[in-house]
Amino acid sequence: EADIYQTPRYLVIGTGKKITLECSQTMGHDKMYWYQQDPGMELHLIHYSYGVNSTEKGDLSSESTVSRIRTEHFPLTLESARPSHTSQYLCASSNLVSGTEAFFGQGTRLTVV
Amino acid sequence: DQQVKQNSPSLSVQEGRISILNCDYTNSMFDYFLWYKKYPAEGPTFLISISSIKDKNEDGRFTVFLNKSAKHLSLHIVPSQPGDSAVYFCAASIGGSNYKLTFGKGTLLTVNP
Repeated sequence: EADIYQTPRYLVIGTGKKITLECSQTMGHDKMYWYQQDPGMELHLIHYSYGVNSTEKGDLSSESTVSRIRTEHFPLTLESARPSHTSQYLCASSNLVSGTEAFFGQGTRLTVV
Repeated sequence: DQQVKQNSPSLSVQEGRISILNCDYTNSMFDYFLWYKKYPAEGPTFLISISSIKDKNEDGRFTVFLNKSAKHLSLHIVPSQPGDSAVYFCAASIGGSNYKLTFGKGTLLTVNP
């Protein structure tokens, strides 16, 4: 059973607001990731981290930022939300050994109005 | 340009029969492949994986076949159960490095009782 949690599950927010999507895992995994998925489309990697104080941009450009101050916590922040940010955001984690699968959280469905 | 393609958006099968989900890839550098299952409003759940040094991997009712020359993999579910109804994503990576997972768009499987 994967222990990775995302909050909130659903968020409807007005344009221009600052938001932070939370992601925490209790598996002691070093690697953490954020994916973005629109309905009927593939998941796109937007951020990843190898460990504390490590953050990298993913394949899909995103205006969001992330931080990794603690191993278990990998929050994603949007300084000024726009309707184009409406999407599902999925957090995942894995250990450092290559070939092991990533475990996903339940996702945050963000709607910016 | 999509590097991982799942050309069937949906598939419907009868309970007890075999479900075959297909995935094609274009990047010959991919050497590790995974299948994820996703229910609505949930995060993807890892199902099964295969390394390019193998052509088959089996786990209970789930078997993944890899044809490297054709750049094709398939997931077989036997026997199919109504609880298998979900979206199935194919993903691939290079060097078994699971942060750089490239996903397909998914196939919606419906198993009818």
